[in-house]
Amino acid sequence: NAGVTQTPKFQVLKTGQSMTLQCAQDMNHNSMYWYRQDPGMGLRLIYYSASEGTTDKGEVPNGYNVSRLNKREFSLRLESAAPSQTSVYFCASSEVVDSNQPQHFGDGTRLSIL
Amino acid sequence: RKEVEQDPGPFNVPEGATVAFNCTYSNSASQSFFWYRQDCRKEPKLLMSVYSSGNEDGRFTAQLNRASQYISLLIRDSKLSDSATYLCVVNAGNNRKLIWGLGTSLAVNP
Repeated sequence: NAGVTQTPKFQVLKTGQSMTLQCAQDMNHNSMYWYRQDPGMGLRLIYYSASEGTTDKGEVPNGYNVSRLNKREFSLRLESAAPSQTSVYFCASSEVVDSNQPQHFGDGTRLSIL
Repeated sequence: RKEVEQDPGPFNVPEGATVAFNCTYSNSASQSFFWYRQDCRKEPKLLMSVYSSGNEDGRFTAQLNRASQYISLLIRDSKLSDSATYLCVVNAGNNRKLIWGLGTSLAVNP
């Protein structure tokens, strides 16, 4: 029962480097999300994808891009990493984007930008 | 007023105790409410949805008070394994957004 799988689990980057965080879900969910979690800030939505082929900005999209590759996969890209992007990143999915639906999370990517 | 507010705690209770957390929300149009549990450095996991009539799942009871705009979580007969941070989550009225509280930390002691 994989659920939501994120890779990598840990990553250290230098300022200015780029990287892509991968997320895949096997629950046949339509909607997928990327969050970041910082101490004292709670979970903040970066981008979400209501369904395959659509993406929308969340609360803190600046500095990030996303791709909904297919129904299963939703990737998050940092084009030019900055120290302010040091965080724990969580991918989540739900059956539909309706906020009556609970979200299921991957186990996170811990990203440090030096 | 923050959109979702929780007492950060920590709540330190002995095994077997009953403990309750409240979470207040500011948007009277909110329709969906959840409690998630998050262990240290792990992902949030859904504990329970909160329904208008209240709901119970084993030792856990969730209540909604729309008039006062808060939800509550009651844990009976606390176990060591209940030690975690409990996140209150509320939808932001008519849009698709979920608002996450900062969490209440619970430590159950032997």
